[in-house]
Amino acid sequence: ELKVEQNPLFLSMQEGKNYTIYCNYSTTSDRLYWYRQDPGKSLESLFVLLSNGAVKQEGRLMASLDTKARLSTLHITAAVHDLSATYFCAVGSSGGGADGLTFGKGTHLIIQP
Amino acid sequence: DAGVIQSPRHEVTEMGQEVTLRCKPISGHDYLFWYRQTMMRGLELLIYFNNNVPIDDSGMPEDRFSAKMPNASFSTLKIQPSEPRDSAVYFCASSFRRAETQYFGPGTRLLVL
Repeated sequence: ELKVEQNPLFLSMQEGKNYTIYCNYSTTSDRLYWYRQDPGKSLESLFVLLSNGAVKQEGRLMASLDTKARLSTLHITAAVHDLSATYFCAVGSSGGGADGLTFGKGTHLIIQP
Repeated sequence: DAGVIQSPRHEVTEMGQEVTLRCKPISGHDYLFWYRQTMMRGLELLIYFNNNVPIDDSGMPEDRFSAKMPNASFSTLKIQPSEPRDSAVYFCASSFRRAETQYFGPGTRLLVL
């Protein structure tokens, strides 16, 4: 059974600081996703990572994937208040007939001025 | 494109009643997913379809839950009879291909009294 662990689950940080959210998963996967969710809203796709060593960046967010370590990171550079949200990683199994995603519990991020 | 459309956005019902949630995926997307989000269990995959065919329903909690996709532009998730523990936000998502972004709809917030 695929398990996805995120840490930390809660993070309060100051504007201008850097931080990293970690996502570990338990079995082989061929794709990893990062989503953002604002309170009471839907999930917004941030990144899709498909290969070992993949790195993607959008603004102050950068995601990377190490399939050998079964680890993805979401790095936040010089955080701003607008990045306050809950961030989820989600992993797809490699097996056939397993196209749905298994989500981590989410990292609730608060960025204080 | 309007994105994934779900209706109703909010539903309040009494225990024992039938509830039907509706989803219109993004045009041209071959995959449709139903997820449920609760505080206790997080985001869980319930069922998904590929080209209108149900592929994996192992996440459907019990026989009270059923889902259909009669055509490429419409899917329903039905709960009969509903119970208070079914209270959650139900998301529909669609993707063009297996390893591409899953786009989430706005969700249906269900409260069963």
